[in-house]
Amino acid sequence: NAGVTQTPKFQVLKTGQSMTLQCAQDMNHEYMSWYRQDPGMGLRLIHYSVGAGITDQGEVPNGYNVSRSTTEDFPLRLLSAAPSQTSVYFCASSYSPFQETQYFGPGTRLLVL
Amino acid sequence: GENVEQHPSTLSVQEGDSAVIKCTYSDSASNYFPWYKQELGKRPQLIIDIRSNVGEKKDQRIAVTLNKTAKHFSLHITETQPEDSAVYFCAASKGSYIPTFGRGTSLIVHP
Repeated sequence: NAGVTQTPKFQVLKTGQSMTLQCAQDMNHEYMSWYRQDPGMGLRLIHYSVGAGITDQGEVPNGYNVSRSTTEDFPLRLLSAAPSQTSVYFCASSYSPFQETQYFGPGTRLLVL
Repeated sequence: GENVEQHPSTLSVQEGDSAVIKCTYSDSASNYFPWYKQELGKRPQLIIDIRSNVGEKKDQRIAVTLNKTAKHFSLHITETQPEDSAVYFCAASKGSYIPTFGRGTSLIVHP
């Protein structure tokens, strides 16, 4: 099993550009989420999904969109990139939302100029 | 919503010493408390967790304690080694809610 995979590993964007961060898992996990990690701020939840077709907002959802058309994939879209979105983005999955280990992807480092 | 405070933000110890990281949570209904370790440039990985029906859990050199009355839980690492150097995150969750993470503690173990 590849576990949780993310692409790209690193991306540079200009302000106003849009892009999609890809996340996929092959563990048949129902539960997937996106976090951003900034120095001194820990892991902050952006959006999450409890199954295909179901998504909800986390702590910092503004400027991001998600969709979940399949169990395996959970892409994160930046609509109009801003310098404040410069961060490291982690995707995570777990078998269920009920107090289960979360498995993180390797992360995507995003720089917005 | 849940609020998790984590202290200290940085912890520097000598190899062989013990390290203690403390977290407090706000929601008395929280009942699951995982700890994640993130090495430099890597992804966070679960190292130990504890549920509210248990007061302490050990796994080799790592232990976690939980005080439900005071709403705090701690990670204890004994006989620290240089490979323990990393950022450690605590988290708290209840039921089907997403875990809320603390801001992390950077542990530095000096050889």
